[in-house]
Amino acid sequence: GAGVSQTPSNKVTEKGKYVELRCDPISGHTALYWYRQSLGQGPEFLIYFQGTGAADDSGLPNDRFFAVRPEGSVSTLKIQRTERGDSAVYLCASSSQGVYGYTFGSGTRLTVV
Amino acid sequence: DQQVKQNSPSLSVQEGRISILNCDYTNSMFDYFLWYKKYPAEGPTFLISISSIKDKNEDGRFTVFLNKSAKHLSLHIVPSQPGDSAVYFCAASRAGANNLFFGTGTRLTVIP
Repeated sequence: GAGVSQTPSNKVTEKGKYVELRCDPISGHTALYWYRQSLGQGPEFLIYFQGTGAADDSGLPNDRFFAVRPEGSVSTLKIQRTERGDSAVYLCASSSQGVYGYTFGSGTRLTVV
Repeated sequence: DQQVKQNSPSLSVQEGRISILNCDYTNSMFDYFLWYKKYPAEGPTFLISISSIKDKNEDGRFTVFLNKSAKHLSLHIVPSQPGDSAVYFCAASRAGANNLFFGTGTRLTVIP
């Protein structure tokens, strides 16, 4: 596609539930990144994929968070046992040039009630 | 530990005047700096960048200045236009790394 697509754009879930957030990167971009932007903060790095593998998952806050990219294209960020503190905008970016060429999606706004 | 800081949450400027957005960083290993612009309900879009080997980079109305000794960079927009009204994020990366560290953003309002 022309840009990075993230679905859903908004998600409201109850505390304790499981959610999946989807990212469809720009075709041909081998690098894919997830960031989280909490209210009043800048985006914070979560995980980076190069192809199918997670090259750096040092930003995942705890083991409730997990992400996959099984075919090297679409990625899914999975959050188990959601907590109110997980409420944020989750941003996905893809790139063909590492940090020199990020294209961000519009994000998924997750609200945990 | 906030490694990239934008201490001004907001800035208002008259149309046609210069906008100056500031950013400070603490990690001396950062060697590449970027500015992103963000409109509501959209993802950040890349605006301009600078490598640590330079002290200035210009692109049309936008100029970024880097002062490595002070660990400070600034974005100058001149002349400012109402369409420039957005949140501006400063970001930085270390050599060889693939993730960016972002500041908390500055909301710029350009008054017609």
